[in-house]
Amino acid sequence: AQSVTQLDSHVSVSEGTPVLLRCNYSSSYSPSLFWYVQHPNKGLQLLLKYTSAATLVKGINGFEAEFKKSETSFHLTKPSAHMSDAAEYFCVVNIYQAGTALIFGKGTTLSVSS
Amino acid sequence: EAQVTQNPRYLITVTGKKLTVTCSQNMNHEYMSWYRQDPGLGLRQIYYSMNVEVTDKGDVPEGYKVSRKEKRNFPLILESPSPNQTSLYFCASSPTGTGETEAFFGQGTRLTVV
Repeated sequence: AQSVTQLDSHVSVSEGTPVLLRCNYSSSYSPSLFWYVQHPNKGLQLLLKYTSAATLVKGINGFEAEFKKSETSFHLTKPSAHMSDAAEYFCVVNIYQAGTALIFGKGTTLSVSS
Repeated sequence: EAQVTQNPRYLITVTGKKLTVTCSQNMNHEYMSWYRQDPGLGLRQIYYSMNVEVTDKGDVPEGYKVSRKEKRNFPLILESPSPNQTSLYFCASSPTGTGETEAFFGQGTRLTVV
């Protein structure tokens, strides 16, 4: 079965310190992987995606993620957190199996303190 | 502007009163889907549609109906809403339902059933 596990439901960092949001996946297929961000009372915005071209993926707002097949991980990082990064982040696997395309992790809430 | 539009954004209704949440996309996408978001559970797929007149159940279809008569529209119908359908709903579209394409999300509809 395909699944996505976000290892932390809540991460707290100070402004200016690094961010690490962890995601492991399970897939029998070669997956495409995504990170989406949801700011309070907003829709979901795509941060970045991995589609087998390069294992290190750069996204918007300084975020990046590295696909590690051996570890089945796709962790999201940012060198220096900003207050505006406070939001909920979802790791998502996109696999094509009988039309069910997206599998979401349960989300990680990122808090940034000054 | 490319977008997915949901209406209404907020809705309070009473148990048993039929309602429809509309979703429209202007990107000529083939694939559309509905999700519900509940705290601690991430997003779960309700129904999806691979193309016009082709719909299928997602992970949590009970109590919902959909139709896809036109490519751009994918309404979600609650024939007899119940309080356990109180949730935040998102419509999404993507060029196809396969592999590398990311999904574009609407702004969400917050539904309360009393």
